Amino acid sequence: SYELTQPPSVSVSPGQTARITCSGDALPKQYAYWYQQKPGQAPVLVIYKDSERPSGIPERFSGSSSGTTVTLTISGVQAEDEADYYCQSADSSGTPEVVFGGGTKLTVL
Amino acid sequence: EVQLVESGGGLVQPGGSLRLSCAASGFTFSSYWMSWVRQAPGKGLEWVANIKQDGSEKYYVDSVKGRFTISRDNAKNSLYLQMNSLRAEDTAVYYCARCGAEGDYAINWGQGTLVTVSS
Repeated sequence: SYELTQPPSVSVSPGQTARITCSGDALPKQYAYWYQQKPGQAPVLVIYKDSERPSGIPERFSGSSSGTTVTLTISGVQAEDEADYYCQSADSSGTPEVVFGGGTKLTVL
Repeated sequence: EVQLVESGGGLVQPGGSLRLSCAASGFTFSSYWMSWVRQAPGKGLEWVANIKQDGSEKYYVDSVKGRFTISRDNAKNSLYLQMNSLRAEDTAVYYCARCGAEGDYAINWGQGTLVTVSS
């Protein structure tokens, strides 16, 4: 198994752009996924396969990948976007052994 | 609408056992990988186990290998997690999740069931 590294926290003012990074050695070979979790709620998938957005997720959420780092970008951040965000990938061995990053607390100032 | 409803959580003593269930509806259960993911109080997400559509492949995080068993009953649209030899560090909310085609991510999540291991 391997690790995915995220910053513990990111702060941004409303209307600005938030970028949350996730680093891992297997990311050039494996897709990354992003989940949003608000207090007391179950996680919600916001980005899949590096940059795809599920139906119902606002267009201000986007994902990108470059080498060993993937990035979740939230453009025009709104107060409702304040949450914990987790990146996730799979082990590079080819089996679906899932790994989560430690999570990033997004604070909207 | 996809619905995943977990049950079976509760307080159990160290060394004890518990069986979690997840009732699925709103999709063709037998067509999807399924997973259990847990979250200890105030901590991040941790994948626990996943199981292929027909139950022929199962994968576990190292910390639960030999103690937990994931299973499914496609006729009952249900997912299970049998947890034995429970430890204090297994205390968490356990989520059931419907997975993507290769079992490597969670499309939908249940609301979770709390397991507390304490004497």
